[in-house]
Amino acid sequence: SQTIHQWPATLVQPVGSPLSLECTVEGTSNPNLYWYRQAAGRGLQLLFYSVGIGQISSEVPQNLSASRPQDRQFILSSKKLLLSDSGFYLCAWKGDSRGTQYFGPGTRLLVL
Amino acid sequence: KQEVTQIPAALSVPEGENLVLNCSFTDSAIYNLQWFRQDPGKGLTSLLLIQSSQREQTSGRLNASLDKSSGRSTLYIAASQPGDSATYLCAFLGLGANNLFFGTGTRLTVIP
Repeated sequence: SQTIHQWPATLVQPVGSPLSLECTVEGTSNPNLYWYRQAAGRGLQLLFYSVGIGQISSEVPQNLSASRPQDRQFILSSKKLLLSDSGFYLCAWKGDSRGTQYFGPGTRLLVL
Repeated sequence: KQEVTQIPAALSVPEGENLVLNCSFTDSAIYNLQWFRQDPGKGLTSLLLIQSSQREQTSGRLNASLDKSSGRSTLYIAASQPGDSATYLCAFLGLGANNLFFGTGTRLTVIP
């Protein structure tokens, strides 16, 4: 069966510091991968998606970047965090041909 | 721009009651619609997925319906239990799109 992992689970970082969040998927190959952010009181916003290694599409201009160095690894990064980067970051993969998306446990980021 | 609305934002019901959660969307050109459950501080759990060609899907006490012509989906929960307390999110995948569009969710509390 497929599983999706995210780490860390929680992160507190000062403004201006770098960021690296990791997402890995097991039990599948060549999945579509997604990074979403859920800010307090707001819906989920798609940040990036990837259809393959090295292929990244960005949905919104922002302070963040994403990379996919391996088939089942998706990384969210920032060189300098802003206060507005605080939120709950969710990684997801698209599984079957019906388009079902499965989500990881999330990383809660607090920028102080 | 596609918009997804979920009403009400919050709902409290006594245990055992049947309830309906509503989701409306502005564009009928959807590929599928998915209902998720999110517990506080956790990731999303997929509950039901309805393809655009389907009218409803059932899983246990849950029944989801889709009416593309009116831009509506409902999630019916029968015989609610305290364990059903969570935030319920609807999201749809547009035709030719790669990402899900999410509503802001309905926070359900089932009172014992």
